[in-house]
Amino acid sequence: AQKITQTQPGMFVQEKEAVTLDCTYDTSDPSYGLFWYKQPSSGEMIFLIYQGSYDQQNATEGRYSLNFQKARKSANLVISASQLGDSAMYFCAMREPFQGAQKLVFGQGTRLTINP
Amino acid sequence: GAGVSQSPSNKVTEKGKDVELRCDPISGHTALYWYRQSLGQGLEFLIYFQGNSAPDKSGLPSDRFSAERTGGSVSTLTIQRTQQEDSAVYLCASSPYRVLSDTGELFFGEGSRLTVL
Repeated sequence: AQKITQTQPGMFVQEKEAVTLDCTYDTSDPSYGLFWYKQPSSGEMIFLIYQGSYDQQNATEGRYSLNFQKARKSANLVISASQLGDSAMYFCAMREPFQGAQKLVFGQGTRLTINP
Repeated sequence: GAGVSQSPSNKVTEKGKDVELRCDPISGHTALYWYRQSLGQGLEFLIYFQGNSAPDKSGLPSDRFSAERTGGSVSTLTIQRTQQEDSAVYLCASSPYRVLSDTGELFFGEGSRLTVL
């Protein structure tokens, strides 16, 4: 069963607009963590933001915020005031317990293109 | 260097040959992951090591794939009798955390690009 679903293969947004990248997840465990990573064309994986399942508030990191809706099992990434440098692949990931530790699985990604 | 180191960065091999890919994680990181990323695709989980626990091998696509981690540090991913569909970037990541209260950010290497002719 797919654990992480990103339904938007590609998105095109005008510079300076806000953009929301969708992510839904599936787990029966009450303890889990959610991540977003950015992968520019250079190929490196850049950690953006983290949300724990017990966190009461939505995570924020600069222009990035995570819209965490636990009952709907969604963890959408919101990028405010988009910039040309935001053009990249974005991956949602979930960490769930495995043998007392943590295992992290990724979604298929969304390719975001920021137009000038 | 302080980051995750992978070697080789590029490997071209002929179909049927065996290949070994190496990952040197950040010192002290207890968790180590291998992922595979085909061109334009997402990250496919392969295997996960956590300390001295038995690894999670549930993502290995076939018995041609194996991995080991020696001394809780360096890991080697071995692909036997390579096939053209094995062509991909193989990413290694490590993490210092093991409990949910920690952020558990993964630190990725730059990957090993494997091309099977």
